[in-house]
Amino acid sequence: GAGVSQTPSNKVTEKGKYVELRCDPISGHTALYWYRQSLGQGPEFLIYFQGTGAADDSGLPNDRFFAVRPEGSVSTLKIQRTERGDSAVYLCASSPVGGRTEAFFGQGTRLTVV
Amino acid sequence: DAKTTQPNSMESNEEEPVHLPCNHSTISGTDYIHWYRQLPSQGPEYVIHGLTSNVNNRMASLAIAEDRKSSTLILHRATLRDAAVYYCILRDPEMNYGGSQGNLIFGKGTKLSVKP
Repeated sequence: GAGVSQTPSNKVTEKGKYVELRCDPISGHTALYWYRQSLGQGPEFLIYFQGTGAADDSGLPNDRFFAVRPEGSVSTLKIQRTERGDSAVYLCASSPVGGRTEAFFGQGTRLTVV
Repeated sequence: DAKTTQPNSMESNEEEPVHLPCNHSTISGTDYIHWYRQLPSQGPEYVIHGLTSNVNNRMASLAIAEDRKSSTLILHRATLRDAAVYYCILRDPEMNYGGSQGNLIFGKGTKLSVKP
């Protein structure tokens, strides 16, 4: 009965390294969203999954960012060759299928690139 | 995606009602109006949503204009814990599996301050 879980809660990495951020959505939720949020800004949309497929990946800033959801549940956001500008809180949310319903957010992963 | 317009910030006194406005003049007939809020250092949380009729829940009320081009989130008695950024979002329900409907795009929101 847990909510959306994101791991790790904090990640510090060196510039140029590869990182993976994990999101465990609420069981049975078909839709899964990734956002990133910089200090003082609203959540910036990255990618939206329906089931296993990306329904909308127009928010991914460049080809260093990639996300998967191979079995339609857990999702991983992958960032290659990290840059200092990638430092932000990465948020994940899930919802049952249908825009009539609410989305539930995790607490986020704070990524710091040094 | 249809867009929303909200004031950048608002202030309220504790235990007084708060009316947070949102304009969405380009709303489509199938868009639901969703409200989320984000408390400091937390992920956003759902507040309320509606389509045409006014809605009430334990957190707030949502008043939707008859032409649906605007809506107002009403907190009946603001508390210090209601200080947050409030986001008004239009969300088109998924009509076909695999489509991009159902996405949830945040704008800048309204930062609500509550004074004791």
